[in-house]
Amino acid sequence: EAQVTQNPRYLITVTGKKLTVTCSQNMNHEYMSWYRQDPGLGLRQIYYSMNVEVTDKGDVPEGYKVSRKEKRNFPLILESPSPNQTSLYFCASSLGATFYNEQFFGPGTRLTVL
Amino acid sequence: AQSVTQLGSHVSVSEGALVLLRCNYSSSVPPYLFWYVQYPNQGLQLLLKYTTGATLVKGINGFEAEFKKSETSFHLTKPSAHMSDAAEYFCAVSGGNKLIFGTGTLLAVQP
Repeated sequence: EAQVTQNPRYLITVTGKKLTVTCSQNMNHEYMSWYRQDPGLGLRQIYYSMNVEVTDKGDVPEGYKVSRKEKRNFPLILESPSPNQTSLYFCASSLGATFYNEQFFGPGTRLTVL
Repeated sequence: AQSVTQLGSHVSVSEGALVLLRCNYSSSVPPYLFWYVQYPNQGLQLLLKYTTGATLVKGINGFEAEFKKSETSFHLTKPSAHMSDAAEYFCAVSGGNKLIFGTGTLLAVQP
């Protein structure tokens, strides 16, 4: 089954404790992206990747890191999480780098930083 | 720069009634427009998209949207609401290497 998977689905952590949220897709998509969803703000892009070893900042990149060493994986790293990073996070992928392609979304990771 | 405005953060309709969710966009180039739906505790999935060609676009689950350039609108409609349509709906416009989402409209369907 074609899908985007994220782990963990739920995470509660404390300020400053490094964490990684994994994202993997099995559709051989070139483009991958991370979003955060906050009430009243919709989805905002954190980082995206056009292909392996090619990443770039989205609208809200502060406090986050990403890497793209393999085509299928695009982990999101919070080196020193803070309470304002409490949010619902989505990973997405699409076939090509151009944006008329449908994006496929993972199920989301709900992160709480205490 | 591209942007999207969704009018109405909450919309409530009765089962069987018309669903109308409003979306206006701003784009300096011909836009690619999308509607996504998010069911509770799930990720987003594509309902429909407009790229070029026919301005009336049909999507899944009986939804459709019409691209109106003169009004910079891309409203989502469904003739008869079903209980299973209760979800959050997001309009989005393509902007370079990303999608720019609206703030979402939560649709409630009353029995």
